[in-house]
Amino acid sequence: SQQGEEDPQALSIQEGENATMNCSYKTSINNLQWYRQNSGRGLVHLILIRSNEREKHSGRLRVTLDTSKKSSSLLITASRAADTASYFCAILTGNQFYFGTGTSLTVIP
Amino acid sequence: DTGVSQDPRHKITKRGQNVTFRCDPISEHNRLYWYRQTLGQGPEFLTYFQNEAQLEKSRLLSDRFSAERPKGSFSTLEIQRTEQGDSAMYLCASSLGPIAVFGPGTRLTVT
Repeated sequence: SQQGEEDPQALSIQEGENATMNCSYKTSINNLQWYRQNSGRGLVHLILIRSNEREKHSGRLRVTLDTSKKSSSLLITASRAADTASYFCAILTGNQFYFGTGTSLTVIP
Repeated sequence: DTGVSQDPRHKITKRGQNVTFRCDPISEHNRLYWYRQTLGQGPEFLTYFQNEAQLEKSRLLSDRFSAERPKGSFSTLEIQRTEQGDSAMYLCASSLGPIAVFGPGTRLTVT
């Protein structure tokens, strides 16, 4: 079973707006990661947040982690059309990366 | 090119045929993963290698599937007697630490 679940499943926003997507997970973690996937392509790593961190920034990305609620959020600020993609949270447990079903983000120019 | 490469990028085959996919990981990465992804879903784990040893296999990997990583370098994933349900994107990834680098995937269509 997949350990991460993203919410919402789909999100459509205007260029320049912020996009927020959430991830809930079931197990204890050492870290949580976010990946992006453009249509029909492989996944690209965006950011990793460790279990002892609450917030992390990378460019226009902001990730938060609440281990007590077993949840994480990814915020993309000042979105661009090129941000249109699917976004997945991932948890490395044992020898496997577990991915959720993803949030499909559409940024309308 | 220092990324993960996969070959072929697309494969169309008839039901019952065998297919083999290749993955070339980043050379210094000792870990290699195969995932399968169907439309609208996240990647599902198939198998994991550390160097040349196959350390974990998902129950999704039926006896029609076999993966190898000879010499701990490139890896192959073979599907025998393909079924329509095998149609999916097959993703390969490699890692040295906690971050996986994915290849572009091989899209398999079984007709």
